[in-house]
Amino acid sequence: KNEVEQSPQNLTAQEGEFITINCSYSVGISALHWLQQHPGGGIVSLFMLSSGKKKHGRLIATINIQEKHSSLHITASHPRDSAVYICAVSRNDYKLSFGAGTTVTVRA
Amino acid sequence: ETGVTQSPTHLIKTRGQQVTLRCSSQSGHNTVSWYQQALGQGPQFIFQYYREEENGRGNFPPRFSGLQFPNYSSELNVNALELDDSALYLCASSPEASGLYNEQFFGPGTRLTVL
Repeated sequence: KNEVEQSPQNLTAQEGEFITINCSYSVGISALHWLQQHPGGGIVSLFMLSSGKKKHGRLIATINIQEKHSSLHITASHPRDSAVYICAVSRNDYKLSFGAGTTVTVRA
Repeated sequence: ETGVTQSPTHLIKTRGQQVTLRCSSQSGHNTVSWYQQALGQGPQFIFQYYREEENGRGNFPPRFSGLQFPNYSSELNVNALELDDSALYLCASSPEASGLYNEQFFGPGTRLTVL
């Protein structure tokens, strides 16, 4: 079983809809990361958090350490939000463990 | 703009060959990590280098090796290529470690195809 599980695997939304992606992990962590990967491969770090909630523009990330669960929300989704969103956790200074990613498609 | 670059962008090799992938980290970033991402999967940690020394390794065989240089560049070398080595290879750099985990900045990746 993977240390990091994401759901759903794929998600299609209409422009303007609210999107939620979930991440569960099975180990103690020092930080959780949400990453965005566009076709072609480049990965961009969206959030790094170890407690509570962070917001950047239309993106919100929350984490519940006790429940070992995090969510990434996209408000007022737009076609340019179409990408693969990846959850990753760090347990020590050198290693990231990744989920398989959630492919998000936002239709105009 | 992350400032992390990788070369080449794409590469095709045949089984049994050797390959060297290159990464140039942001200036001042003393930590570089390498990841392998197979199609449709999340990245898998290969290893990390800190100040030119290997600082941790994932579940990859010894034919995967690396080097880090003082000028913030690094290499991933893979010997005796196998078909399953076909993947996107990502490098990511981090600022000087301070005892806390630092955000990693990813390069665009090198897509390796082994025929």
